[in-house]
Amino acid sequence: AQSVAQPEDQVNVAEGNPLTVKCTYSVSGNPYLFWYVQYPNRGLQFLLKYITGDNLVKGSYGFEAEFNKSQTSFHLKKPSALVSDSALYFCAVRPSKAAGNKLTFGGGTRVLVKP
Amino acid sequence: NAGVTQTPKFQVLKTGQSMTLQCAQDMNHNSMYWYRQDPGMGLRLIYYSASEGTTDKGEVPNGYNVSRLNKREFSLRLESAAPSQTSVYFCASKTPYEQYFGPGTRLTVT
Repeated sequence: AQSVAQPEDQVNVAEGNPLTVKCTYSVSGNPYLFWYVQYPNRGLQFLLKYITGDNLVKGSYGFEAEFNKSQTSFHLKKPSALVSDSALYFCAVRPSKAAGNKLTFGGGTRVLVKP
Repeated sequence: NAGVTQTPKFQVLKTGQSMTLQCAQDMNHNSMYWYRQDPGMGLRLIYYSASEGTTDKGEVPNGYNVSRLNKREFSLRLESAAPSQTSVYFCASKTPYEQYFGPGTRLTVT
């Protein structure tokens, strides 16, 4: 069975500093990996995905993520965090070949960016 | 293009009451999903529908039923609500690589 771990419940960072949100996964075969962001009282918004190709994926709002197959990780990064990046972030995975295309989500990491 | 819409946004039920959560998408997607979100547990899949006329159970289907009325609409029904079903419910539809989420329904069962 596939699984996703986001080991940090909360990440605190000062505005302007680099932001990293960790994600590790377990899946049979090659993974499709995703990051979503949820702002207060809103639904989830897609940030970026890894399907194949370059291990460094660039997404919305200046975010990027690096796929590391040997470490089964897909950490989300932003070089310079903004206060408006404060939100709940979810990592998700599914096998590249899977009937039903069901995503498995991590538990979420709350990011708090302080001015 | 409204994307994925859900109604209602908020609902309070008493134990044993029934209700239906509505979801519609205007992106012509085949697949639609219902999730529940609980603190510290991420999103858990309740039911999904890979195409019009088909539905399948997800991770936590007990206490729920679904109907894929047509390609646009996918409803979630609670026949006899229980306090354990207090949660935020999200509907989603998808392309092969990306899921689009609705704004959510916050349900409280007392």
